[in-house]
Amino acid sequence: NAGVTQTPKFRVLKTGQSMTLLCAQDMNHEYMYWYRQDPGMGLRLIHYSVGEGTTAKGEVPDGYNVSRLKKQNFLLGLESAAPSQTSVYFCASSYSPTGTNTEAFFGQGTRLTVV
Amino acid sequence: AQSVTQLDSQVPVFEEAPVELRCNYSSSVSVYLFWYVQYPNQGLQLLLKYLSGSTLVKGINGFEAEFNKSQTSFHLRKPSVHISDTAEYFCAVSPLGGSYIPTFGRGTSLIVHP
Repeated sequence: NAGVTQTPKFRVLKTGQSMTLLCAQDMNHEYMYWYRQDPGMGLRLIHYSVGEGTTAKGEVPDGYNVSRLKKQNFLLGLESAAPSQTSVYFCASSYSPTGTNTEAFFGQGTRLTVV
Repeated sequence: AQSVTQLDSQVPVFEEAPVELRCNYSSSVSVYLFWYVQYPNQGLQLLLKYLSGSTLVKGINGFEAEFNKSQTSFHLRKPSVHISDTAEYFCAVSPLGGSYIPTFGRGTSLIVHP
């Protein structure tokens, strides 16, 4: 059981380049999330999805776009990378938050450096 | 909206000593409460959660937490820590209403010294 898988694990981008981070989960979870983790800032929500075909903005959505075309996949795109987007990105998924199995399952993270 | 405050950014402690990591929250609706642990270069994993019922919740690796509704706190404790407990610990709340999306605290770095 793979859980939540993120690809790639590491990436270096030049300012202005674009890229897509892929998140895949095999637990049939409805909810999926993208967070960024920066020193001293904890986890900040970028975008989230409550089901296939839906997306919504989180706390820090500027400069990012997402898509959830299939239930198991949640893509995070950077159209024109900036040094301020240097961070560790985590994908997570969960069942409906109103049930008892409501905790989030996290991927291993993608370390992105923008130079 | 809800918010989570982890009162200590770093907690140094000696091996076999007890430890408490503090978490306070604010929310206009009822919440579920969680503690997650992040070991170096890994993702977060669940330590324990409070949904309802007994306010003392036991989790993995000997950790426990107590929900205090009047003080809006959910402090994490362990009576005797090990070197292997060195990690980042995150408190999180999920509101039982609105988007239901969890909000995380900024994390507490637990450093266990031999």
